[in-house]
Formats: sequence, C-alpha cells, structure tokens
Amino acid sequence: DQQVKQNSPSLSVQEGRISILNCDYTNSMFDYFLWYKKYPAEGPTFLISISSIKDKNEDGRFTVFLNKSAKHLSLHIVPSQPGDSAVYFCAAARTNSGGSNYKLTFGKGTLLTVNP
Amino acid sequence: DVKVTQSSRYLVKRTGEKVFLECVQDMDHENMFWYRQDPGLGLRLIYFSYDVKMKEKGDIPEGYSVSREKKERFSLILESASTNQTSMYLCASSLDRGSGYTFGSGTRLTVV
Repeated sequence: DQQVKQNSPSLSVQEGRISILNCDYTNSMFDYFLWYKKYPAEGPTFLISISSIKDKNEDGRFTVFLNKSAKHLSLHIVPSQPGDSAVYFCAAARTNSGGSNYKLTFGKGTLLTVNP
Repeated sequence: DVKVTQSSRYLVKRTGEKVFLECVQDMDHENMFWYRQDPGLGLRLIYFSYDVKMKEKGDIPEGYSVSREKKERFSLILESASTNQTSMYLCASSLDRGSGYTFGSGTRLTVV
C-alpha cells in the first residue's frame, strides 16, 4: 500500500516558467513532509520541508504548500532553470510519536525537465 | 557539512556471493538508514538504526541484514546475492527531523 504518491512520473517545463510538482499521501498520521532532489549517479539532497502546523514554507525559488484536508502537498519552483532538471522525491514522516527519531516514506519520484 | 560516505560507487558481484556495503557518517548522527532505488519504485527502506547495535526492519528487509557496531558506521549485508538485488543502494543519516536526511552518493550494485 503506497502511502506517499507522486502520480506524475515526469514533467517538462520551459525555462523561466513555474514548475509544480504534486504529492498525495494517505496516512493522516504523517505530520512532517520533505522534498528531495536527485541527480543521476548522486544521492538525493534535501530541498525543503514543511510541518503540518503550517500550510506554506518558502526558500528562495522553492515553495512548498500543504493542504492537510486534501492530504496533498505541492512544490513550486519559480522561475525554473535548466539546472533544476532532476528527479524530485516527496517524503513524509510521522514524528508525533515522540522523540526526534523518525523514518521517511518516499514517493516514487517525478522527473522534472526544464528546457532552455 | 555532514558527510555520508559509501565505500564503493560501483560493484559487480556474482550470484550467491556475500556482499558488504559500508556507510560512514562523520557528524555523530544517531539515525542511519539503508534504501534501495529502482526505476518506477522510488526509494524503499531496507533497514534502519537509531542507535549502536540497534536495528529495525524497513519495508523490504528480505535477503538483507545490517550491522551497527559503531555509531558512525552502518553496514548492509547481502547474505547471498541474487540478480533481483541489482540496484542503487543509498545510505542516509539524520540528527533530527529539522535537518532531514543526508544521503551518501550511492552504490550501484550489479549482481551477475
């Protein structure tokens, strides 16, 4: 049973435009969400996160929106650049069981291609 | 910056061999993880550890074991390698939820 879903395997956008990557989750106990970016032959790198007590978090060109009622989050990249071309993974965690330990559940990823 | 180092970038092993994948982190993180990444399947958790000598099964532990004798080192062991274990293996560590995971560069394992 896939608890974190990225339904679009790929997305192609023009340089300078907005990229919107979507993610849905089924486990209502998840309370912390992250996005990772991965280039081929490299490990994923942390991009941005959001706690369930917020509905938006912004870091430069990257903004993550969280809609808890819909169990949906999205990553917006504005403006998109060719160097943003990579696989983006959505991840979720349940941290409300106490302590700082948690494990992430990842989606299958979306390949973003930004065309010059 | 936290560094997570995986000992090999590429490995080719034969079916039936015992394979060791090593991972070392240099920032005193308590939490360490092993994932595998396969096309169309994303990242799947194999095993994780929250403390020395402690380990817990992830979502796909079959055919694997782990060892954490020291805080900085987390080893993944393929007891008897099979062709369906050909994959990209990723090690990660974390301090707490605010920092997310830091991943190593991965080991591309091919079992022939």
